[in-house]
Amino acid sequence: DVKVTQSSRYLVKRTGEKVFLECVQDMDHENMFWYRQDPGLGLRLIYFSYDVKMKEKGDIPEGYSVSREKKERFSLILESASTNQTSMYLCASSLGQSNTEAFFGQGTRLTVV
Amino acid sequence: KQEVTQIPAALSVPEGENLVLNCSFTDSAIYNLQWFRQDPGKGLTSLLLIQSSQREQTSGRLNASLDKSSGRSTLYIAASQPGDSATYLCAVSLLYSGGGADGLTFGKGTHLIIQP
Repeated sequence: DVKVTQSSRYLVKRTGEKVFLECVQDMDHENMFWYRQDPGLGLRLIYFSYDVKMKEKGDIPEGYSVSREKKERFSLILESASTNQTSMYLCASSLGQSNTEAFFGQGTRLTVV
Repeated sequence: KQEVTQIPAALSVPEGENLVLNCSFTDSAIYNLQWFRQDPGKGLTSLLLIQSSQREQTSGRLNASLDKSSGRSTLYIAASQPGDSATYLCAVSLLYSGGGADGLTFGKGTHLIIQP
């Protein structure tokens, strides 16, 4: 079974802190994604990557950056956390072509105070 | 820009009923459509993936259909059980112009409650 693991289930950070959310997949998938999920807005794509060191902006990249130094790991970085970044963050991966299944991690509930 | 709509937003039915969840999308040039289940506070679990060239997929009591030309998909759940209570999400993918897989565009989900 594909496993996508996010480093934390819950995080509480202060405004202005630099925050790292880590995601690791164990199935040699090419593509990795970061989404955030908010009530009433659904899931929205922040960034994705289809290869090591490659990154592409999604629908809401402002205030975020990403890093993919190794194929299995995709990190989401909040350069200076703000309260409007309080959300559920979900990481996903897929094999490498468009017609493949996306697998999600368990989510990280981030609260910025 | 692709938009995905799910109807109804919420549904409550007695145990044992067969039910249909609906998903529609505005751009028919999709590469696949995926149905997910999400339990409260948890991540997403993939239920069914339908490739753009397929018309339906089945897994156990679940059957998903796809009509690209009309921009619609349905998820059919047979003989519903209380354990089926969850939020069901529909998502479509397009091919990224750079050649790799694009991210998914999600509907806002149908919150399903199966009454014992």
